Amino acid sequence: EPEVTQTPSHQVTQMGQEVILRCVPISNHLYFYWYRQILGQKVEFLVSFYNNEISEKSEIFDDQFSVERPDGSNFTLKIRSTKLEDSAMYFCASSEAGFGLARLGTQYFGPGTRLLVL
Amino acid sequence: GQNIDQPTEMTATEGAIVQINCTYQTSGFNGLFWYQQHAGEAPTFLSYNVLDGLEEKGRFSSFLSRSKGYSYLLLKELQMKDSASYLCAVRATGGGNKLTFGTGTQLKVEL
Repeated sequence: EPEVTQTPSHQVTQMGQEVILRCVPISNHLYFYWYRQILGQKVEFLVSFYNNEISEKSEIFDDQFSVERPDGSNFTLKIRSTKLEDSAMYFCASSEAGFGLARLGTQYFGPGTRLLVL
Repeated sequence: GQNIDQPTEMTATEGAIVQINCTYQTSGFNGLFWYQQHAGEAPTFLSYNVLDGLEEKGRFSSFLSRSKGYSYLLLKELQMKDSASYLCAVRATGGGNKLTFGTGTQLKVEL
Protein backbone atom coordinates (compact mmCIF):
# COMPACT_ATOMS: atom_id res chain seq x y z
CA GLU A 1 0.00 0.00 0.00
CA PRO A 2 1.41 3.44 -0.93
CA GLU A 3 2.70 5.49 1.98
CA VAL A 4 3.92 8.98 2.70
CA THR A 5 7.59 8.94 3.64
CA GLN A 6 9.60 11.54 5.53
CA THR A 7 13.28 12.20 6.15
CA PRO A 8 15.02 12.53 8.47
CA SER A 9 13.20 10.72 11.25
CA HIS A 10 15.03 12.83 13.85
CA GLN A 11 16.80 16.17 13.56
CA VAL A 12 18.70 18.04 16.25
CA THR A 13 19.70 21.62 15.52
CA GLN A 14 20.95 24.74 17.24
CA MET A 15 18.68 27.72 17.72
CA GLY A 16 18.96 30.09 14.76
CA GLN A 17 19.95 27.40 12.29
CA GLU A 18 17.98 26.55 9.17
CA VAL A 19 16.41 23.11 8.77
CA ILE A 20 14.75 21.45 5.82
CA LEU A 21 12.32 18.62 6.40
CA ARG A 22 11.59 16.37 3.47
CA CYS A 23 8.54 14.41 2.43
CA VAL A 24 7.58 12.16 -0.46
CA PRO A 25 3.77 12.19 -0.77
CA ILE A 26 1.74 9.30 -2.20
CA SER A 27 2.38 9.35 -5.93
CA ASN A 28 -1.12 10.08 -7.33
CA HIS A 29 -1.95 12.64 -4.66
CA LEU A 30 -2.21 16.28 -5.62
CA TYR A 31 -2.63 18.03 -2.24
CA PHE A 32 0.09 18.23 0.37
CA TYR A 33 0.13 19.40 3.95
CA TRP A 34 2.38 20.00 6.92
CA TYR A 35 1.19 19.64 10.51
CA ARG A 36 3.10 19.75 13.76
CA GLN A 37 2.56 18.23 17.17
CA ILE A 38 4.34 19.61 20.20
CA LEU A 39 4.92 16.86 22.76
CA GLY A 40 1.74 16.13 24.67
CA GLN A 41 -0.35 18.55 22.63
CA LYS A 42 -2.73 18.27 19.71
CA VAL A 43 -1.89 18.05 16.04
CA GLU A 44 -1.85 21.54 14.51
CA PHE A 45 -2.25 22.53 10.87
CA LEU A 46 0.58 24.54 9.35
CA VAL A 47 0.01 24.75 5.60
CA SER A 48 -1.66 23.16 2.60
CA PHE A 49 -0.21 23.20 -0.92
CA TYR A 50 -1.67 22.53 -4.33
CA ASN A 51 -0.51 23.20 -7.87
CA ASN A 52 2.73 24.74 -6.65
CA GLU A 53 0.97 27.27 -4.47
CA ILE A 54 0.00 27.59 -0.83
CA SER A 55 -3.76 27.02 -0.52
CA GLU A 56 -4.06 27.89 3.14
CA LYS A 57 -1.74 28.58 6.04
CA SER A 58 -2.19 28.97 9.77
CA GLU A 59 -0.99 31.79 11.99
CA ILE A 60 1.87 29.51 13.07
CA PHE A 61 3.20 29.51 9.50
CA ASP A 62 4.97 32.88 9.63
CA ASP A 63 7.81 34.27 7.51
CA GLN A 64 10.26 31.82 9.07
CA PHE A 65 8.51 28.95 7.32
CA SER A 66 8.38 28.10 3.63
CA VAL A 67 7.33 25.12 1.54
CA GLU A 68 8.46 23.94 -1.84
CA ARG A 69 7.91 21.16 -4.32
CA PRO A 70 11.39 21.13 -5.87
CA ASP A 71 10.71 18.22 -8.21
CA GLY A 72 7.96 15.75 -9.10
CA SER A 73 8.19 13.73 -5.93
CA ASN A 74 9.50 15.75 -2.98
CA PHE A 75 7.72 18.27 -0.78
CA THR A 76 9.81 20.23 1.71
CA LEU A 77 9.28 22.42 4.76
CA LYS A 78 12.03 24.91 5.54
CA ILE A 79 12.40 26.72 8.84
CA ARG A 80 14.80 29.58 8.26
CA SER A 81 15.92 30.42 11.78
CA THR A 82 14.77 27.84 14.29
CA LYS A 83 13.54 28.78 17.74
CA LEU A 84 13.29 26.63 20.86
CA GLU A 85 9.52 26.57 20.50
CA ASP A 86 9.81 24.97 17.05
CA SER A 87 10.73 21.70 18.77
CA ALA A 88 7.96 19.31 17.77
CA MET A 89 7.05 16.35 15.61
CA TYR A 90 6.40 17.53 12.06
CA PHE A 91 4.02 15.46 9.96
CA CYS A 92 3.62 15.62 6.22
CA ALA A 93 0.31 14.46 4.75
CA SER A 94 -1.18 14.12 1.29
CA SER A 95 -4.61 13.61 -0.27
CA GLU A 96 -5.96 12.87 -3.74
CA ALA A 97 -8.12 15.99 -3.72
CA GLY A 98 -8.61 19.03 -1.54
CA PHE A 99 -12.35 19.32 -1.27
CA GLY A 100 -15.56 17.80 -2.55
CA LEU A 101 -15.91 14.11 -1.78
CA ALA A 102 -14.51 13.46 1.69
CA ARG A 103 -13.02 10.18 0.50
CA LEU A 104 -10.81 11.98 -1.99
CA GLY A 105 -9.88 14.59 0.57
CA THR A 106 -8.83 12.06 3.20
CA GLN A 107 -5.35 12.92 4.37
CA TYR A 108 -2.71 10.24 4.89
CA PHE A 109 0.13 11.05 7.21
CA GLY A 110 3.82 10.24 7.06
CA PRO A 111 5.76 8.89 10.06
CA GLY A 112 6.99 12.33 11.06
CA THR A 113 10.28 14.12 11.73
CA ARG A 114 11.06 14.79 15.36
CA LEU A 115 12.80 18.18 15.49
CA LEU A 116 14.70 19.22 18.59
CA VAL A 117 16.03 22.77 18.78
CA LEU A 118 18.71 23.36 21.41
CA GLY B 1 -13.19 29.45 14.37
CA GLN B 2 -13.52 25.84 15.41
CA ASN B 3 -13.72 24.13 18.77
CA ILE B 4 -13.50 20.37 19.25
CA ASP B 5 -14.00 18.53 22.53
CA GLN B 6 -13.16 14.93 23.40
CA PRO B 7 -12.68 13.16 26.73
CA THR B 8 -9.03 13.07 27.71
CA GLU B 9 -8.83 9.44 28.80
CA MET B 10 -10.90 6.27 28.76
CA THR B 11 -10.29 2.75 30.01
CA ALA B 12 -11.98 -0.39 28.71
CA THR B 13 -11.64 -4.14 28.95
CA GLU B 14 -10.34 -6.44 26.23
CA GLY B 15 -13.24 -7.86 24.22
CA ALA B 16 -15.63 -5.09 25.25
CA ILE B 17 -17.14 -2.20 23.27
CA VAL B 18 -16.15 1.42 23.83
CA GLN B 19 -17.66 4.65 22.51
CA ILE B 20 -15.49 7.77 22.18
CA ASN B 21 -17.47 10.98 21.83
CA CYS B 22 -16.54 14.18 20.03
CA THR B 23 -18.44 17.46 19.96
CA TYR B 24 -17.55 20.32 17.69
CA GLN B 25 -18.47 23.86 16.78
CA THR B 26 -17.47 25.14 13.38
CA SER B 27 -18.44 27.98 11.10
CA GLY B 28 -18.69 25.71 8.07
CA PHE B 29 -18.71 21.92 8.24
CA ASN B 30 -17.33 19.71 5.49
CA GLY B 31 -16.58 16.38 7.14
CA LEU B 32 -15.42 14.76 10.35
CA PHE B 33 -12.50 12.35 10.43
CA TRP B 34 -11.25 9.88 13.04
CA TYR B 35 -7.60 8.96 13.33
CA GLN B 36 -5.73 6.54 15.58
CA GLN B 37 -2.35 7.58 16.93
CA HIS B 38 0.02 5.33 18.83
CA ALA B 39 2.60 7.11 20.97
CA GLY B 40 5.39 8.61 18.88
CA GLU B 41 3.76 7.60 15.61
CA ALA B 42 1.74 9.24 12.85
CA PRO B 43 -2.03 9.55 12.90
CA THR B 44 -3.60 6.67 10.95
CA PHE B 45 -6.91 7.26 9.17
CA LEU B 46 -9.84 5.26 10.53
CA SER B 47 -13.08 6.72 9.17
CA TYR B 48 -14.93 9.80 8.01
CA ASN B 49 -18.50 11.10 8.07
CA VAL B 50 -19.95 13.82 5.93
CA LEU B 51 -23.66 12.98 6.18
CA ASP B 52 -25.66 12.10 9.28
CA GLY B 53 -25.69 8.48 10.31
CA LEU B 54 -23.49 5.52 11.01
CA GLU B 55 -20.54 4.37 8.91
CA GLU B 56 -19.33 0.86 9.68
CA LYS B 57 -15.89 -0.43 8.87
CA GLY B 58 -15.06 -3.77 10.46
CA ARG B 59 -14.60 -3.40 14.23
CA PHE B 60 -14.83 0.38 13.93
CA SER B 61 -17.95 2.47 13.35
CA SER B 62 -18.41 6.21 13.37
CA PHE B 63 -21.59 8.21 13.80
CA LEU B 64 -22.38 11.82 12.95
CA SER B 65 -25.17 14.22 13.83
CA ARG B 66 -24.55 17.54 12.12
CA SER B 67 -27.46 19.29 13.82
CA LYS B 68 -26.02 18.41 17.24
CA GLY B 69 -22.37 18.93 16.30
CA TYR B 70 -21.69 15.44 17.62
CA SER B 71 -19.84 12.35 16.54
CA TYR B 72 -18.73 9.14 18.14
CA LEU B 73 -16.30 6.38 17.32
CA LEU B 74 -17.38 2.89 18.36
CA LEU B 75 -14.76 0.20 18.79
CA LYS B 76 -15.98 -3.39 19.16
CA GLU B 77 -14.19 -6.54 20.33
CA LEU B 78 -11.43 -4.48 21.85
CA GLN B 79 -7.89 -5.76 21.57
CA MET B 80 -4.81 -4.74 23.52
CA LYS B 81 -3.36 -3.18 20.35
CA ASP B 82 -6.29 -0.73 20.30
CA SER B 83 -4.64 1.09 23.20
CA ALA B 84 -3.84 4.43 21.53
CA SER B 85 -4.98 8.01 21.23
CA TYR B 86 -8.09 8.58 19.07
CA LEU B 87 -8.21 11.93 17.32
CA CYS B 88 -11.36 13.64 16.10
CA ALA B 89 -10.72 16.13 13.30
CA VAL B 90 -13.08 18.50 11.52
CA ARG B 91 -12.72 19.83 8.00
CA ALA B 92 -14.28 23.22 7.33
CA THR B 93 -15.64 24.52 4.05
CA GLY B 94 -13.45 26.61 1.81
CA GLY B 95 -9.71 26.96 1.68
CA GLY B 96 -7.13 24.27 1.62
CA ASN B 97 -8.74 21.16 3.13
CA LYS B 98 -7.38 22.05 6.55
CA LEU B 99 -8.10 19.61 9.37
CA THR B 100 -8.59 20.93 12.89
CA PHE B 101 -7.86 18.27 15.48
CA GLY B 102 -9.16 17.74 18.97
CA THR B 103 -6.74 16.95 21.76
CA GLY B 104 -7.41 13.23 21.38
CA THR B 105 -8.80 10.58 23.71
CA GLN B 106 -6.21 8.25 25.22
CA LEU B 107 -7.76 4.79 25.34
CA LYS B 108 -6.28 2.14 27.58
CA VAL B 109 -7.40 -1.43 27.02
CA GLU B 110 -6.93 -3.71 30.01
CA LEU B 111 -7.18 -7.46 30.47
